[in-house]
Amino acid sequence: DTGVSQDPRHKITKRGQNVTFRCDPISEHNRLYWYRQTLGQGPEFLTYFQNEAQLEKSRLLSDRFSAERPKGSFSTLEIQRTEQGDSAMYLCASTLGAYYGYTFGSGTRLTVV
Amino acid sequence: KQEVTQIPAALSVPEGENLVLNCSFTDSAIYNLQWFRQDPGKGLTSLLLIQSSQREQTSGRLNASLDKSSGRSTLYIAASQPGDSATYLCAVVPLQGGSEKLVFGKGTKLTVNP
Repeated sequence: DTGVSQDPRHKITKRGQNVTFRCDPISEHNRLYWYRQTLGQGPEFLTYFQNEAQLEKSRLLSDRFSAERPKGSFSTLEIQRTEQGDSAMYLCASTLGAYYGYTFGSGTRLTVV
Repeated sequence: KQEVTQIPAALSVPEGENLVLNCSFTDSAIYNLQWFRQDPGKGLTSLLLIQSSQREQTSGRLNASLDKSSGRSTLYIAASQPGDSATYLCAVVPLQGGSEKLVFGKGTKLTVNP
């Protein structure tokens, strides 16, 4: 297993466009998390899936954001009508459970111009 | 609400020096604590995971301690090298809440000068 994969690595988009990111977790991990990190800050929790069920969403996740994890495998995070404030690194992590620690992907850097 | 603080925000040391990075958290009810390394523009690499029942963990030149009752953890790096230059992030998993999500500090940016 090569770890957690995220695609694309970088995305530049114009304000108002929609973007979608993909995360492929470690195959046996049933828990998947999305975080957002802005410059000089630590990652902030966005949302959490256990298998295909989205069990928690942060207040940071406005109605322009939607996440899915069909069939409990890969996950997508979509941002509609992007704003400059959405510019950030979007990180995905997976785990079997907190006891085992978390594995992060390389992240997707989003720049909204 | 759990808050994690890392001090200092930035640290610059000459190569070969031993150093300590500090992490504090406001609520001692944690499941565990994990230290990560982040290189510029990259994702997070796990360094050490300490369960709440443990006092320390070691990996190579790295040693992390945990004092849950006082809400503190330290990451000790021995014989620092330029390749250790990165941002080091501390994160805890609060016992409260079912999602077991990580709560991060802002990190310490370490520069090791040759």
